[in-house]
Amino acid sequence: DVKVTQSSRYLVKRTGEKVFLECVQDMDHENMFWYRQDPGLGLRLIYFSYDVKMKEKGDIPEGYSVSREKKERFSLILESASTNQTSMYLCATGSGRRNEQFFGPGTRLTVL
Amino acid sequence: DQQVKQNSPSLSVQEGRISILNCDYTNSMFDYFLWYKKYPAEGPTFLISISSIKDKNEDGRFTVFLNKSAKHLSLHIVPSQPGDSAVYFCAASANSNYQLIWGAGTKLIIKP
Repeated sequence: DVKVTQSSRYLVKRTGEKVFLECVQDMDHENMFWYRQDPGLGLRLIYFSYDVKMKEKGDIPEGYSVSREKKERFSLILESASTNQTSMYLCATGSGRRNEQFFGPGTRLTVL
Repeated sequence: DQQVKQNSPSLSVQEGRISILNCDYTNSMFDYFLWYKKYPAEGPTFLISISSIKDKNEDGRFTVFLNKSAKHLSLHIVPSQPGDSAVYFCAASANSNYQLIWGAGTKLIIKP
C-alpha cells in the first residue's frame, strides 16, 4: 500500500509567517504534487515534481515555492503567509504514464 | 476556463437506490478519466478509472460510463449505501502528461 504522510493535520499561522508543509512517501514514486482544495473550486495544482530537484509550476504557484531534495520528500513553502492562503493542502504521489495519484491526509492551514 | 466540469454541487439519494454522478469535459485530448472519493478531513482516494478506448468499466457497485462524442462521463453507484456519502471528484489526463485536471466535486448524500 502506498503511504503518503503530511507533517501536520492542522496548522494555525499568522500573516507574514513563513510556513513549511512537508510530504513524505514510501513507494518510490517519481512524481509528487501539491494541491489546495477550496469549496466549489475542486483541487487546484500548485506545484509538481517529476524527479529530485525538478519542479514545475501548476495552475496557482504565486505565493508558494517547493523543494525536492530527496525522492521521497516534497516540501511546500509559503514565503509570507496571507489570509487568502487559508485552505486544505493536499500532497499526492504518482508513478507511470497513467499517473493515478495517491493522496496524503491533508493539512488544514488557517492564516490569521 | 474549466476543462472538467461537475455541474451538480450536491446530490441526495435514498439508501438502496442508484446514485448517478455526472462529469463533462471540453478537451478532446483527454484519454484517461478517474473518479476519486473524499471524506471530510481526509485525502481523496481513487475509486475507478476508464480509458478512452472503452465506454464502460465496472468494479463491484461502481460503474463508469464514457460517451466520447458527448464528452461526458458518469459514475453509477448501485445500490447506494450510507458509507458512500462523500465528495466525488472527476479527473482527466491527456496522453503522457503528468497532470490530472480536476472537476469541482459533487457532494453525495445518502439518506437512510
